[in-house]
Amino acid sequence: EPEVTQTPSHQVTQMGQEVILRCVPISNHLYFYWYRQILGQKVEFLVSFYNNEISEKSEIFDDQFSVERPDGSNFTLKIRSTKLEDSAMYFCASISHAGAQSNTQYFGPGTRLTVL
Amino acid sequence: LAKTTQPISMDSYEGQEVNITCSHNNIATNDYITWYQQFPSQGPRFIIQGYKTKVTNEVASLFIPADRKSSTLSLPRVSLSDTAVYYCLVGGRTDKLIFGTGTRLQVFP
Repeated sequence: EPEVTQTPSHQVTQMGQEVILRCVPISNHLYFYWYRQILGQKVEFLVSFYNNEISEKSEIFDDQFSVERPDGSNFTLKIRSTKLEDSAMYFCASISHAGAQSNTQYFGPGTRLTVL
Repeated sequence: LAKTTQPISMDSYEGQEVNITCSHNNIATNDYITWYQQFPSQGPRFIIQGYKTKVTNEVASLFIPADRKSSTLSLPRVSLSDTAVYYCLVGGRTDKLIFGTGTRLQVFP
């Protein structure tokens, strides 16, 4: 069964450093999402991406965040200058297309980001 | 996006059937109802999705009354490995998912 993959599984970085989290969505999917979950808290929406542009972003997704689909397979989340409060699990998700009968978002296993 | 309300926690024993009910009074005509399962430090895992009436797959059933203002996830014969947080979400086809706190299911031997 196809699945969303994410790398790395765990990233440790120093405050102020840039990190890039990588995701490979399911191959025929067209809508992509990033979510994050701070330890012990809810899963929070960050951004959605379709047709090579951001379709929606949350208040959390400020100027330090950016997303990119550099090729036909990868979907990346960049955090330019990490802060302690960016420590969280980051999940990538994807769905096939708007014409699909359902909107099932398939999630990756997550990247645990630890900012020291 | 419709808000959902579900119990904060539930306890069960192995082999029992567990029913988790979710209310979504403001569900829109185009909204689907989707349930996810999440284990600690893992991504949410899709369980089941429905629009109306009853849906069944190999792991669960989803009951949706005619007014669609609530839904019930039914897990038959739970095991210890079903201990997890279960989320009920409603939304349109490409909508972002708004997660609540979910229902923390604890299965005891």
